[in-house]
Amino acid sequence: GAGVSQSPRYKVAKRGQDVALRCDPISGHVSLFWYQQALGQGPEFLTYFQNEAQLDKSGLPSDRFFAERPEGSVSTLKIQRTQQEDSAVYLCASSWGSGKSWWPFFGPGTRLTVL
Amino acid sequence: SQELEQSPQSLIVQEGKNLTINCTSSKTLYGLYWYKQKYGEGLIFLMMLQKGGEEKSHEKITAKLDEKKQQSSLHITASQPSHAGIYLCGADIWYNNDMRFGAGTRLTVKP
Repeated sequence: GAGVSQSPRYKVAKRGQDVALRCDPISGHVSLFWYQQALGQGPEFLTYFQNEAQLDKSGLPSDRFFAERPEGSVSTLKIQRTQQEDSAVYLCASSWGSGKSWWPFFGPGTRLTVL
Repeated sequence: SQELEQSPQSLIVQEGKNLTINCTSSKTLYGLYWYKQKYGEGLIFLMMLQKGGEEKSHEKITAKLDEKKQQSSLHITASQPSHAGIYLCGADIWYNNDMRFGAGTRLTVKP
């Protein structure tokens, strides 16, 4: 497809389970972002990649959160030992690169519910 | 915490009325982006502003960035039910490509 895709769209996990969320960016996009969006809130920055390099992970809320983009395209956000407060929509976005003229395109998000 | 302040948090207007949403930062904004989000969907890009004093329009939506590049407004003329949704401003505050967002403004347009 032409847009950013994310899978799964919905994920229900029991507290303590590990989950992996996938993001397929637009082909050729250098930059990739992950955001967490709680109900009624704006997206909160989690982490940012430029190609395979993770340039900023300051938004990851704890060491249970880990993101990777090993080949500079597909990215995975992993959450270990999920907690109820991890319930949110996780948004992925990609853009052409470091040029300021290019805006991120967003995927539809993965809605994570931790029971 | 949100580094961009949006106001109002929610807005209910009658169809046909004009409205304005504001986005403010204490830091200089290196690129200000407006997105729209409908429930359960991703963010849809509306407009990007980069230069102080810049103004852009698309159909009935106009966005402006002030001269100091610390405040932006989004104005909708003659609102329609299709304008309903959550409007989010995003900006590169740290000049390092990390886009941060405001909390959003939820717009309801009553027919």
